[in-house]
Amino acid sequence: EADIYQTPRYLVIGTGKKITLECSQTMGHDKMYWYQQDPGMELHLIHYSYGVNSTEKGDLSSESTVSRIRTEHFPLTLESARPSHTSQYLCASSESAPRRYEQYFGPGTRLTVT
Amino acid sequence: AQSVTQPDIHITVSEGASLELRCNYSYGATPYLFWYVQSPGQGLQLLLKYFSGDTLVQGIKGFEAEFKRSQSSFNLRKPSVHWSDAAEYFCAVGAQGNYGQNFVFGPGTRLSVLP
Repeated sequence: EADIYQTPRYLVIGTGKKITLECSQTMGHDKMYWYQQDPGMELHLIHYSYGVNSTEKGDLSSESTVSRIRTEHFPLTLESARPSHTSQYLCASSESAPRRYEQYFGPGTRLTVT
Repeated sequence: AQSVTQPDIHITVSEGASLELRCNYSYGATPYLFWYVQSPGQGLQLLLKYFSGDTLVQGIKGFEAEFKRSQSSFNLRKPSVHWSDAAEYFCAVGAQGNYGQNFVFGPGTRLSVLP
């Protein structure tokens, strides 16, 4: 059983608010990822991190930002939420080589911006 | 860059029937291949993975998948479907020597199970 947590699970918030989605893992994994998934749609990588103080943008452009100050923590922030940010956000982590591609997922945060 | 296709958007089977979900990938070398399952409102759970060796891999919940290099496929199978198998299934491929930006998911196949 993977130990990766996301809070909140559900969030409804008004336009213009600043929000932070939390993601934590207790497995000591170096690699962490954020995916965005619209209902019934595929996953798109928006951010990833190789380790502490390392962050990169993924395939899908996103107005969100991330930080990696501690190995276990990889929060995602939206400075000013908009209705177009309504989606499900999934956090994942993986070990270093040779098993680095096996990703473990959190339960997700379903965000609705009104 | 690698890509993954899942030709079936939605499949409906009767409980107890056999199941095969198709997955095709495009990548120059031997990829790492995965199948994940996602129940409504939940995260993704790893069903099984292929890195090397035996091309028929066994996973959790009675699922198996077969890697066929000649067809660039990694189809998921189950001999007898249970109602609890209704979910979204994602095939994914990871490229050797790269990090998370080269872990690509297919569009998913939604499985419905009739009683």
